[in-house]
Amino acid sequence: ELKVEQNPLFLSMQEGKNYTIYCNYSTTSDRLYWYRQDPGKSLESLFVLLSNGAVKQEGRLMASLDTKARLSTLHITAAVHDLSATYFCAVDIPQGGSEKLVFGKGTKLTVNP
Amino acid sequence: SQTIHQWPATLVQPVGSPLSLECTVEGTSNPNLYWYRQAAGRGLQLLFYSVGIGQISSEVPQNLSASRPQDRQFILSSKKLLLSDSGFYLCAWSVGRPLAGHNEQFFGPGTRLTVL
Repeated sequence: ELKVEQNPLFLSMQEGKNYTIYCNYSTTSDRLYWYRQDPGKSLESLFVLLSNGAVKQEGRLMASLDTKARLSTLHITAAVHDLSATYFCAVDIPQGGSEKLVFGKGTKLTVNP
Repeated sequence: SQTIHQWPATLVQPVGSPLSLECTVEGTSNPNLYWYRQAAGRGLQLLFYSVGIGQISSEVPQNLSASRPQDRQFILSSKKLLLSDSGFYLCAWSVGRPLAGHNEQFFGPGTRLTVL
């Protein structure tokens, strides 16, 4: 059974600081997705990582994938208040024919002035 | 472009009452469709998914059911709601791995259900 673990689950940081959210998964997969959820809202797709070494960047967020280590990171550079949200990673189940994703529990990020 | 709709947006129902939540997708054909539930402050729980009309896979045994009467319509139902059914219900769609090479899912706005 594929397990996806995110850490930390809660992150409080100051504006202007850098930090990294980690997403570990238990079974071989080369498909990983990052989502953002604002309070009371739905999930918004941020990044799709489809191969070992993939790196995607959007503004102050950068995501990477290391399939050998079964690890993805979401790096936040010079955080601003608008980045406050819950971030989820999700991994494709590798078994053939399955169309499911397994989500981590989410990291709630609070950026303080 | 593709759009996903859910209704109602909010719902307050008494215990033991029936439930019907609807999800529709526009701008795509033969999507994979998903129902998730999110309890307050918690992660996502996959309830059902469908890869085609009439094809439903259930992930969690419970008093909920799902149906897909049309290609772009997905319905979540219950005959008798429980207190534990309260939560934020999210519908999602994807093109699917065989066609797109990946399974990026796109989420609807959600239905917030409170069972009293």
